[in-house]
Amino acid sequence: EVQMVESGGGLVQPGGSLRLSCAASGFTFSDYYIEWVRQAPGKGLEWVGRTRNQANSYATEYAASVKGRFSMSRDDSKNSVYLQMNSLKTEDTAVYYCARLLWRAPLDYWGQGTLVTVSS
Amino acid sequence: EIVLTQSPGNLSLSPGERATLSCRASESVSNNYLAWYQQKPGQAPRLLIHGASSRATGIPDRFSGSGSGTDFTLTISRLEPEDFAVYYCHQYGSSSRFGQGTKLEIK
Repeated sequence: EVQMVESGGGLVQPGGSLRLSCAASGFTFSDYYIEWVRQAPGKGLEWVGRTRNQANSYATEYAASVKGRFSMSRDDSKNSVYLQMNSLKTEDTAVYYCARLLWRAPLDYWGQGTLVTVSS
Repeated sequence: EIVLTQSPGNLSLSPGERATLSCRASESVSNNYLAWYQQKPGQAPRLLIHGASSRATGIPDRFSGSGSGTDFTLTISRLEPEDFAVYYCHQYGSSSRFGQGTKLEIK
């Protein structure tokens, strides 16, 4: 069974940092790209970023709203992806989801999300 | 950068009725890499349709997708009580963008 589990969310002050984890199981993790998508309270889905697989040099891409502040990494030996979030702003408050995809395919499995609250 | 605009923002219908949701892209969606997701409160999005018109595994056939280029439609032929939710279109492939969502409510 495919599973994706996010962790690491919590309350952080503006300007602070947080590292989210996404642990996957039930599929060949190294074949897949992983994306992070966030959803602010009561709002729609916003793409955050993507990490490609080893065959594509683990290349990363980010939304303009987080570029330069957020960075993604992955450890295929642990079937995990990480989202390092620095210089957090109140507008980064959201539920953060990780989801898997193959190249030119949609996001077919999502985790249940982890809530990040940026507030003083 | 592609912008996806969904309409209507809210849709009030009764069980048994037909729902038609629209997603318009600001430029042509490459290879019709357009998906639809359903999201219920407190849950992650669930993939319904990919490639504009292909149902994902396990999705009932009352859900259908159509369209190409810049105009796409999600149709639910006969609404079941469990279909009332928020629906998002998503352009995937070389980039990834979501529409703002359509909330389907019980009338």
